[in-house]
Amino acid sequence: GENVEQHPSTLSVQEGDSAVIKCTYSDSASNYFPWYKQELGKRPQLIIDIRSNVGEKKDQRIAVTLNKTAKHFSLHITETQPEDSAVYFCAAGQAGTALIFGKGTTLSVSS
Amino acid sequence: GAGVSQSPSNKVTEKGKDVELRCDPISGHTALYWYRQRLGQGLEFLIYFQGNSAPDKSGLPSDRFSAERTGESVSTLTIQRTQQEDSAVYLCASSLGQTTNSPLHFGNGTRLTVT
Repeated sequence: GENVEQHPSTLSVQEGDSAVIKCTYSDSASNYFPWYKQELGKRPQLIIDIRSNVGEKKDQRIAVTLNKTAKHFSLHITETQPEDSAVYFCAAGQAGTALIFGKGTTLSVSS
Repeated sequence: GAGVSQSPSNKVTEKGKDVELRCDPISGHTALYWYRQRLGQGLEFLIYFQGNSAPDKSGLPSDRFSAERTGESVSTLTIQRTQQEDSAVYLCASSLGQTTNSPLHFGNGTRLTVT
């Protein structure tokens, strides 16, 4: 089955800096890669996703890149703000199978 | 409501008792997932239902854990003879899924405490 590794486990940045979180996956058949943000005490919420037919996707300050050959994908947050502080989870899967999550990255943005 | 609903929101039980957790998915969502999240930890996959297909039970940690779903409606996760290590938040999620990937929508979870 699929296995997803996520790094780093914790990340501290200054407000305005960029943050990068990286994930690798094991199943070459996986073709869907979402990212979820979980604020303290709340449910995970989707922030961006990418499918294997594209290499990069952007939404305002957030971007995700995918390298299918190397089986890794990354989340990039630019101009970080204190409200970006949360736990971020990557995941990998394909239609009709379970979505498997990484162990999460705790991002702290200090002002 | 429009979202995934889970009940109870909190459950405290004594070691050795059985518990049943309930999940009401978003109407029309064919895929339903259960995940376990221990304090400060990641989302551990437990079980996945897709329409009327056989569920993927590969994440269930022991035979004390079981789950059912009738058609595309409510799901229940049952933990028998609870142990202290079962203490966690149990999250349910649903998605449109089947022939195409679609985002998971999570419920607020059931916080289970085994004393």
